[in-house]
Amino acid sequence: SQQGEEDPQALSIQEGENATMNCSYKTSINNLQWYRQNSGRGLVHLILIRSNEREKHSGRLRVTLDTSKKSSSLLITASRAADTASYFCATDLETSGSRLTFGEGTQLTVNP
Amino acid sequence: DAGVIQSPRHEVTEMGQEVTLRCKPISGHDYLFWYRQTMMRGLELLIYFNNNVPIDDSGMPEDRFSAKMPNASFSTLKIQPSEPRDSAVYFCASSLDYSPLHFGNGTRLTVT
Repeated sequence: SQQGEEDPQALSIQEGENATMNCSYKTSINNLQWYRQNSGRGLVHLILIRSNEREKHSGRLRVTLDTSKKSSSLLITASRAADTASYFCATDLETSGSRLTFGEGTQLTVNP
Repeated sequence: DAGVIQSPRHEVTEMGQEVTLRCKPISGHDYLFWYRQTMMRGLELLIYFNNNVPIDDSGMPEDRFSAKMPNASFSTLKIQPSEPRDSAVYFCASSLDYSPLHFGNGTRLTVT
């Protein structure tokens, strides 16, 4: 299966709730990144976590990385309608040079 | 900073025609990437350049696809001849030291 698989494929929540998205990968990484894509727009980088880091915060975003389980999670706290978007994880593999491999994304809908 | 600029935003063409997509990366960035996004295949890396030199074009689907980067501020992706299965959103992205990526808003290509 594809490197960097997000789970769930789609998530619908109410404004104010937290949203958690997961990403699994198969081989060793240098870092893992999360991106957001609004409809009809390009991807926007949210946060990068290196292989030797376990947790990182940026505003309402919290990312964790478990290299033993080859998984990462993105938590968005106190969600807003404006957070509605697709969220992608991207892995920078140790063996891939400068290639980023993107997962298929999680479609998050935050209902007002 | 204007960000990564792609043109055109939309392109509709007939099968067999030549299509040229254009990209202006962020000034000072040394990496440039071309991605293709479809519902079926997700986000695929086609080719990337470092300091205007193509490094990895293994994602280019066929000889019908070609990409050039004549200078640090301009790149093109050409499809000749185009086919209906080439219909997708094509993204250009640039970066400094290859990570994180800054994406343009894409070119939506429709081949009829």
